[in-house]
Amino acid sequence: EVQLVESGGGLVQPGGSLRLSCAASGFTFSSYWMSWVRQAPGKGLEWVASISEDGSEKYSVDSVKGRFTISRDNAKNSLYLQMNSLRAEDTAVFYCARDRPTFCSGGTCYVSDYWGQGTLVTVSS
Amino acid sequence: DIQMTQSPSSLSTFVGDRVTITCRASQSISTYLNWYQQKPGKAPKLLIYAASSLQSGVPSRFSGIGFGTDFTLTISSLQPEDFATYYCQQTYSTSRTFGQGTKLEIK
Repeated sequence: EVQLVESGGGLVQPGGSLRLSCAASGFTFSSYWMSWVRQAPGKGLEWVASISEDGSEKYSVDSVKGRFTISRDNAKNSLYLQMNSLRAEDTAVFYCARDRPTFCSGGTCYVSDYWGQGTLVTVSS
Repeated sequence: DIQMTQSPSSLSTFVGDRVTITCRASQSISTYLNWYQQKPGKAPKLLIYAASSLQSGVPSRFSGIGFGTDFTLTISSLQPEDFATYYCQQTYSTSRTFGQGTKLEIK
């Protein structure tokens, strides 16, 4: 059974740092892209970042570039999100998700087929 | 970035009704379009991927269609458990984006 378990959330002051982890099990972690998606209280979903199977490709939303870093450790079946210079607007539930490759007209596309339960990050003084 | 616009933003409807939600992309995204359902306090659940493929285990009353910039999610006969918020997401660009969501409420 595929399982994704996030941890590392909590209360942090503006300007502070936090490192989120996502422990994966039930599938061959090193064969999948992985992503982080967040949801501010009462708001919609926002894609944050994605990373390739071997970590060689990384992409992130403009609002976190230069502040957040996605990484992975395939030996530990773990995904990470290092968050620095946190702002109040970063307050959200952060989900990790597995990205399954599939076929879209024109090539390979990715779909987030399994999600963790989320971890809450609160940025406040 | 590719903008995804869903309509309507909310919808009040009855059990048994047929419902269609629309998602429009700001530029062509081929079929790089997924649909998710989210209930309060829960993680999103994948319903449809690649515009029209039904995720394993999802009831057949859910269907999707579309290509390019215009996509629709249809629920053929709403069940009580379908009242939730629905999101589309494009993965055509390396900067993936979600629509703002469509909340289905019981009338």
